[in-house]
Amino acid sequence: DGGITQSPKYLFRKEGQNVTLSCEQNLNHDAMYWYRQDPGQGLRLIYYSQIVNDFQKGDIAEGYSVSREKKESFPLTVTSAQKNPTAFYLCASSQRERDEQFFGPGTRLTVL
Amino acid sequence: KQEVTQIPAALSVPEGENLVLNCSFTDSAIYNLQWFRQDPGKGLTSLLLIQSSQREQTSGRLNASLDKSSGRSTLYIAASQPGDSATYLCAANPSGGSYIPTFGRGTSLIVHP
Repeated sequence: DGGITQSPKYLFRKEGQNVTLSCEQNLNHDAMYWYRQDPGQGLRLIYYSQIVNDFQKGDIAEGYSVSREKKESFPLTVTSAQKNPTAFYLCASSQRERDEQFFGPGTRLTVL
Repeated sequence: KQEVTQIPAALSVPEGENLVLNCSFTDSAIYNLQWFRQDPGKGLTSLLLIQSSQREQTSGRLNASLDKSSGRSTLYIAASQPGDSATYLCAANPSGGSYIPTFGRGTSLIVHP
């Protein structure tokens, strides 16, 4: 069953803590993306990767970091430098950049 | 900078009505435009992708059109059902430069029996 998985579904972070969100796809897609969704706002791109070992910043990369060591995996770390991290985080992939995007189920991050 | 606007922000209709959801964009230099559905607390589900060279795409009761010159796309839902209740989002992908798609804020649709 092909698709995109994200874990965990819910995540709680204390002040000053780094947390890592997982994103895995078995669609054999080259491109992967991380978005942030806040209530009443459109999705905003955090980082994207067109190929293994390469990634680019999106509109709101400050306070976040990513890696792309394997084609199927694109983890996102929310660092303590991100001052307002409470949001719904969505991972997506596409065959190549600008192709049809497919999304995972999301991770809801809450700062305690 | 591309701006994408979706009107109306919310819509409530009785079952069986035909609906039109609107998506407008300010920069006509788009590569394609994608429509999504999002249920509460869930990820996005791709509905239709229209390439810049196409005028419309159809999938079942859904039809999406694209008019680049006027900066508009519409999603037509025929014979709406309560199961169509969700938020519908559109995203415009740029044709040049760095790849950063721009999403609208969505139209929240409720179809009541």
